[in-house]
Amino acid sequence: GAGVSQSPSNKVTEKGKDVELRCDPISGHTALYWYRQSLGQGLEFLIYFQGNSAPDKSGLPSDRFSAERTGGSVSTLTIQRTQQEDSAVYLCASSLVSGDNQPQHFGDGTRLSIL
Amino acid sequence: AQSVSQHNHHVILSEAASLELGCNYSYGGTVNLFWYVQYPGQHLQLLLKYFSGDPLVKGIKGFEAEFIKSKFSFNLRKPSVQWSDTAEYFCAVGLGGYQKVTFGTGTKLQVIP
Repeated sequence: GAGVSQSPSNKVTEKGKDVELRCDPISGHTALYWYRQSLGQGLEFLIYFQGNSAPDKSGLPSDRFSAERTGGSVSTLTIQRTQQEDSAVYLCASSLVSGDNQPQHFGDGTRLSIL
Repeated sequence: AQSVSQHNHHVILSEAASLELGCNYSYGGTVNLFWYVQYPGQHLQLLLKYFSGDPLVKGIKGFEAEFIKSKFSFNLRKPSVQWSDTAEYFCAVGLGGYQKVTFGTGTKLQVIP
């Protein structure tokens, strides 16, 4: 069945450029997360969307990072004026929402390399 | 805000050794608890979860975890590891469906044949 889809799978860009990463969650999943995974840093939470509620942006590392989720489905993570330290794998996950936290389904990630 | 601690960052074991990975969290209320695994080159996937009921939870591939409320812990165990268990393991804690889940920093397990 269709899982969480992320695109592109790999992105190489020059320092200072803007990048957009896309996430298509599983249909019907109202919760969507973005994480960053880099060597030695584990899994770093970036932002959380839940339905029509205001997103939890507490994990965004700087104002160069932003994300939106249009129509409660597809999400894009934008990094402006990229820096070399932004190089990482960016993961998206989605889940159903009920009274209990439901398991997250992860995409394969976008590997971002800043030259 | 809740926090999740995984004290072991890197664990090396020989095949057939027993495994216990620690996970502690900081919230005192009702929690939902998870362990996820990421095998080399694969995406993160759920290993097991605890919502309520029996505090000893069994997951896939012979893994289990025990929720000890008094210790705020949810340690992952396996009696006898295999080389194929080499992976990174993440503990995660949620405070209920409408609040986000917080992940620990992960533990890399390396099993030597």
